[in-house]
This record gives sequence, C-alpha cells and structure tokens, in this order.
Amino acid sequence: AQSVTQLDSQVPVFEEAPVELRCNYSSSVSVYLFWYVQYPNQGLQLLLKYLSGSTLVESINGFEAEFNKSQTSFHLRKPSVHISDTAEYFCAVSDRYTDKLIFGTGTRLQVFP
Amino acid sequence: SQTIHQWPATLVQPVGSPLSLECTVEGTSNPNLYWYRQAAGRGLQLLFYSVGIGQISSEVPQNLSASRPQDRQFILSSKKLLLSDSGFYLCAWRSGTFSSYNEQFFGPGTRLTVL
Repeated sequence: AQSVTQLDSQVPVFEEAPVELRCNYSSSVSVYLFWYVQYPNQGLQLLLKYLSGSTLVESINGFEAEFNKSQTSFHLRKPSVHISDTAEYFCAVSDRYTDKLIFGTGTRLQVFP
Repeated sequence: SQTIHQWPATLVQPVGSPLSLECTVEGTSNPNLYWYRQAAGRGLQLLFYSVGIGQISSEVPQNLSASRPQDRQFILSSKKLLLSDSGFYLCAWRSGTFSSYNEQFFGPGTRLTVL
C-alpha cells in the first residue's frame, strides 16, 4: 500500500528566507502527487500537483515542487517566504487505480518576522 | 462552478450524545465523497468514502457511520459520542467520472469538541 512520509512536523523560518518541506512516498509505480495547504481552522486547498510531463511544477504564489522518481520524493520549495505562508502543508499521493488519496502527517510552516 | 458546504462549522457535544454532520456539493453530479478526521497535532485520517448513493466504504473501525441519501449529500453520524471523537472533520469530493487523476476538493470543515 502507498504511504507518504513528511519528515518534518514543524519548520520554523524567518521571513524572506528559503524553505524546503520534504515529502517521500513509498512506491515508484505510476503515481499522482499533490501538495495541499491548510490555513488555521480551514479546509485544505490544493497548492500544486504533478500528474505527468515536466517534473518541476509551480504554484501561483511562488511555491514549486520537483518530482524525483529515483528518490521517490516530491519536496516543496519556496525561495523567499512571507508571513502569510504560515500554515500546515500536506503532501498526498494517489495511484491510477484507486479512488483515494494517501496523505502525509503534515508539516507546520511557521514564518517569523 | 462547484462548491462544497459543511455544517455546522463548530459543535460542542457531551459524551454519549448523538452526532450528525452534513456535507453537500453543488455544481457537479455523481461525485465521489469522502469524510476525513484531523485530530489535534495529527494528519488526515480517511474515515469513509462513497462512490454513489447508498454506497459507503469504511476505512477504519470506529464509533461513527456515514450515509449518502442523495447524490450530493454525505452525512456523518454517531449514536453515542466518545471523547476520542473530538477533532476537525473534513468532507471532500472528486469527480466521479473517469479522470486521469484523483484531485480532491475540501469543504471548510467542522470543529467537533466532545466534553
């Protein structure tokens, strides 16, 4: 069965610093990969996704993630974070044969001024 | 466009009382529907999912049940709440037609506190 590992439960960082949130999944069988963001007391919003094609995917607010098949990773990066990026970030994986997403345990990004 | 609603937004219930949380989706038909629970400091746990009216799959044994009385309505229930049922409950949907990926769209959530 698929599983997702987010190694860091919390990542504190200062504003305008770069950040990387790590995500590894368990299988290299054809997968779709997602990053969701959750602001306090809200539902999850899709941040970006990898389906096929270019291994580097970008969001509209400056985040990017790179699909690395050999390392079974899908790390999320941003070169310069803002206070407003403070939130919980979830990595998720699905395969092409199930109706379910498998989520990691989440990483809380805390941006300090 | 599609929207997903959940109510109530917050709920405080005593132990042993019943529960009913509702989720509705607009702007799509025959969606797949999902209930997740997010306990404090933990990730998302899939509780139930449904691919059609009356079709419910349970992911984990627990004190809760789910029903889908209409195509775009998904209800989470309990006859007697436990303290461990406290958490943030999220409903989600995805297209039920064949699609090349499984992107899910989430509702705003219900914060349940059992005292």
